[in-house]
Amino acid sequence: LAKTTQPISMDSYEGQEVNITCSHNNIATNDYITWYQQFPSQGPRFIIQGYKTKVTNEVASLFIPADRKSSTLSLPRVSLSDTAVYYCLVGALDTGRRALTFGSGTRLQVQP
Amino acid sequence: GAGVSQSPRYKVAKRGQDVALRCDPISGHVSLFWYQQALGQGPEFLTYFQNEAQLDKSGLPSDRFFAERPEGSVSTLKIQRTQQEDSAVYLCASSPRALNEKLFFGSGTQLSVL
Repeated sequence: LAKTTQPISMDSYEGQEVNITCSHNNIATNDYITWYQQFPSQGPRFIIQGYKTKVTNEVASLFIPADRKSSTLSLPRVSLSDTAVYYCLVGALDTGRRALTFGSGTRLQVQP
Repeated sequence: GAGVSQSPRYKVAKRGQDVALRCDPISGHVSLFWYQQALGQGPEFLTYFQNEAQLDKSGLPSDRFFAERPEGSVSTLKIQRTQQEDSAVYLCASSPRALNEKLFFGSGTQLSVL
């Protein structure tokens, strides 16, 4: 299983762009990179998923270099409501593996 | 469109009591997962259902933990003879199809064992 490493915490200010990088040196060919966001007292929420290059949706962008050994979640112009824990998950589900593994995540604190 | 609903939201149990936690997944979702989340940690996988079949229970910590989904919709996680180390948030998630990394989580049940 690909192990992921991400910063324990990050601080930012409203209006700034935040980039959270996740290292996954042992990523397998079939693995996808999936990011979740979790607010206090809520379950995680799917943000974005990618395999290579760049993926963008209405919430975030995900940058994946060619070697796929890392990925960067980019949150444009954060607000106070983006304060949450962000999890990077790496893997692909198949009949031998039914669920992805969450690590400890990155705690993002956005200040005014 | 209702999301994943879990009940109760909070549960306090005395050590040794049995508890039952309920999950109502999004209607029509094939996959259902249970996770356990300790304070300050990420969610840890407990068990997985595809429709009514429990295909993976490798994460259940002991034989005191039991989950079912008899009709392929509502699921119940039962913990027998609760211990203090069982105190955690229990999260349920569903997905519209099998082997899909995009999960829809409920808000969880916070279990406190005294």
